[in-house]
Amino acid sequence: DTEVTQTPKHLVMGMTNKKSLKCEQHMGHRAMYWYKQKAKKPPELMFVYSYEKLSINESVPSRFSPECPNSSLLNLHLHALQPEDSALYLCASSQLPGEQEQYFGPGTRLTVT
Amino acid sequence: QKEVEQNSGPLSVPEGAIASLNCTYSDRVSQSFFWYRQYSGKSPELIMSIYSNGDKEDGRFTAQLNKASQYVSLLIRDSQPSDSATYLCAVNRAGNMLTFGGGTRLMVKP
Repeated sequence: DTEVTQTPKHLVMGMTNKKSLKCEQHMGHRAMYWYKQKAKKPPELMFVYSYEKLSINESVPSRFSPECPNSSLLNLHLHALQPEDSALYLCASSQLPGEQEQYFGPGTRLTVT
Repeated sequence: QKEVEQNSGPLSVPEGAIASLNCTYSDRVSQSFFWYRQYSGKSPELIMSIYSNGDKEDGRFTAQLNKASQYVSLLIRDSQPSDSATYLCAVNRAGNMLTFGGGTRLMVKP
């Protein structure tokens, strides 16, 4: 089983709203990732959690705030986003941090109005 | 020079033919290489991983790696219209970070 789930599938939010994206995996993976993907572009890494601790932040603006409550859950809290933040937000996980295969969830399509 | 480069395509092949997708990378210390398939509007799906020089076969897919030439490829035999998608090459760099190429759009025509 290589299933990563994400909710919601679609989200429309205004620039003053606060919302959260949720990601869950029950494969016992100890590394989880957030990516952002714009149309016709490859995924861009945002954050990496290793053993529930933030290990990589790819210079992401503070209006994106990740959280890893436990080894199965990953959240991305959104606040005061800009229209250019509209994109597909992808969560992925891998068994261990390092050179491992990453499995992606279905993504959340975010539109900022 | 981009870290991971792919021809954006589209690569058009007739049904039943072999599709050959290519990828070059710049970081010589990279050790892990992956091919993802992404249908329009969907998330990337891992289809192949390769870690050693040579060929790795899985069904209709063959991944080829040449670390000396910093080159990795994906062959799809007996291409089907359902193989039409964007194929992303990904290379693992320092730590646990994947760097993706821009993707090659494959079109398989019936």
